[in-house]
Amino acid sequence: NAGVTQTPKFQVLKTGQSMTLQCAQDMNHEYMSWYRQDPGMGLRLIHYSVGAGITDQGEVPNGYNVSRSTTEDFPLRLLSAAPSQTSVYFCASRDSTGEQYFGPGTRLTVT
Amino acid sequence: GDSVTQMEGPVTLSEEAFLTINCTYTATGYPSLFWYVQYPGEGLQLLLKATKADDKGSNKGFEATYRKETTSFHLEKGSVQVSDSAVYFCALRLQGGSEKLVFGKGTKLTVNP
Repeated sequence: NAGVTQTPKFQVLKTGQSMTLQCAQDMNHEYMSWYRQDPGMGLRLIHYSVGAGITDQGEVPNGYNVSRSTTEDFPLRLLSAAPSQTSVYFCASRDSTGEQYFGPGTRLTVT
Repeated sequence: GDSVTQMEGPVTLSEEAFLTINCTYTATGYPSLFWYVQYPGEGLQLLLKATKADDKGSNKGFEATYRKETTSFHLEKGSVQVSDSAVYFCALRLQGGSEKLVFGKGTKLTVNP
């Protein structure tokens, strides 16, 4: 199993550009989520999904969209990037015991 | 609201020293409690967990006990190694099937040889 994979590893965007952060898992987990990690802030939940076709907002959803067309994939879209979205983004999936598995992260810089 | 407070870092220790990282929480009901570790350049990994009061989670020499009376879940290790240098996050998941994890801000630990 590859676990949770994320692409790209690094990305630089200009203000106003759009992009999609990819996340995939091969463990057949129903629950997936996106977090952002900022210095001194810990991890904050952006969006989550409890299964294909079902998504919901987390703590900091503004500026981000998600969709879940398959169990495996959970992409995060930035429609119009802002410098405040400079962060490290982590995708995670959760198994039936409640353990979360995190991807390696995407480091995004918006200039 | 539900929250996790953990001691501010950074923490710097010498090899073989005793480690304590304090974590307290605020939540309704009986949350599950977790410690995650993040090594440099990597994602978070589950270190240990406890799902009910008085449970002790343990892994790789680390331990934490779920204390309902003090709403705490302090992380301890009797003898740290250089390889334990990482950022440690305390987290809770609310009772009742909620899928959300609430994280503390993280504590950076550096262990010197």
